[in-house]
Amino acid sequence: DAGVIQSPRHEVTEMGQEVTLRCKPISGHNSLFWYRQTMMRGLELLIYFNNNVPIDDSGMPEDRFSAKMPNASFSTLKIQPSEPRDSAVYFCASSLGGTGRREQFFGPGTRLTVL
Amino acid sequence: SQKIEQNSEALNIQEGKTATLTCNYTNYSPAYLQWYRQDPGRGPVFLLLIRENEKEKRKERLKVTFDTTLKQSLFHITASQPADSATYLCALGNQAGTALIFGKGTTLSVSS
Repeated sequence: DAGVIQSPRHEVTEMGQEVTLRCKPISGHNSLFWYRQTMMRGLELLIYFNNNVPIDDSGMPEDRFSAKMPNASFSTLKIQPSEPRDSAVYFCASSLGGTGRREQFFGPGTRLTVL
Repeated sequence: SQKIEQNSEALNIQEGKTATLTCNYTNYSPAYLQWYRQDPGRGPVFLLLIRENEKEKRKERLKVTFDTTLKQSLFHITASQPADSATYLCALGNQAGTALIFGKGTTLSVSS
């Protein structure tokens, strides 16, 4: 298996622009997670899907952030409009089940820079 | 609110020594505790999982302990090697189906 795939790997954009990050989870995994990592705040959960349904989106910072999972093999995280404070590395992870007893498999991340 | 603290941001040790990393938590009752390794520019990679009713778990040179009374997990790497240099993250999970909560990590540097 190719593992979790994320695109793009790097994104540089200007404040106010729309940014869309993409994720393909490992085939057969039914839980998908979006995280944001910064030096200051560490790895923070943004949203968690189980069987394509959002279960916990309490980590989504504000209405500028939205996430979708139209099918079991694809998810997007959109930021509109983007702001400099959104600059971070965004990780997608998948697992077989969303509970704490399941290991998560992380993608390589998308490094987002908002100028 | 829930809080996870990993003992220090950085730990420097000599090759061959045992590295011990600490993960403390408050306001949480985890059923599971996981440890991940993260190399620069890459996503975290799962290492070990320990359940609340397990005191200790081992995998090759790795050992994890879990003390629910002290609210603490210790992560040991014996006979450390420069290749063990990375950031190590602890994460807490519970039975209720909510997602993991990650600590900020400890960066380990093993010098030869």
